Amino acid sequence: AQSVTQPDIHITVSEGASLELRCNYSYGATPYLFWYVQSPGQGLQLLLKYFSGDTLVQGIKGFEAEFKRSQSSFNLRKPSVHWSDAAEYFCAVVKTLSGGYNKLIFGAGTRLAVHP
Amino acid sequence: DTGVSQNPRHKITKRGQNVTFRCDPISEHNRLYWYRQTLGQGPEFLTYFQNEAQLEKSRLLSDRFSAERPKGSFSTLEIQRTEQGDSAMYLCASSLAYGATGELFFGEGSRLTVL
Repeated sequence: AQSVTQPDIHITVSEGASLELRCNYSYGATPYLFWYVQSPGQGLQLLLKYFSGDTLVQGIKGFEAEFKRSQSSFNLRKPSVHWSDAAEYFCAVVKTLSGGYNKLIFGAGTRLAVHP
Repeated sequence: DTGVSQNPRHKITKRGQNVTFRCDPISEHNRLYWYRQTLGQGPEFLTYFQNEAQLEKSRLLSDRFSAERPKGSFSTLEIQRTEQGDSAMYLCASSLAYGATGELFFGEGSRLTVL
């Protein structure tokens, strides 16, 4: 069954430092992968997505992620973190249901704190 | 495009009461999803509509939960005889039906607290 693991529950970085959030997935075929961000009390906003092609995908707010099939990973990166990046980050994989439609399976999330 | 709208944003109720949440998706989106998110967890799928048809329900959706999308536009999620374990954020999302790559657009959620 499809699943997503985010090994880090909480990460703290200093403003200006680089960031990498880990995501591992379990899926038999080529996965469709997403990263969403959630600020406190808010809904989820899409950062980026991978469907096929170039394994390095660019997203909004300066984020990028790299799909590595050999490691079943889709880690999110940002070269220089801003205080406004403090939020919860969710990795998700698409599960296609029997009727041909799909739903997202989310990881448990990584909460990012940014020190000034 | 006003985004996905959810009401109410917050609801506090006593155990045993019924509550109803409403979701207004983006107007041209024919797919609508409900997810539940508890503290420290990622969103968990509850149910899915394509137009007015409810095509998938999670085992998380007990018989106390019912969701409707009567005209294929807005949707309601009703919880009867609420329990403290129902306390969570209920998220609605919508998308266009163009295959597995369709992005889900989420509302800001309805937070339920059951006392």
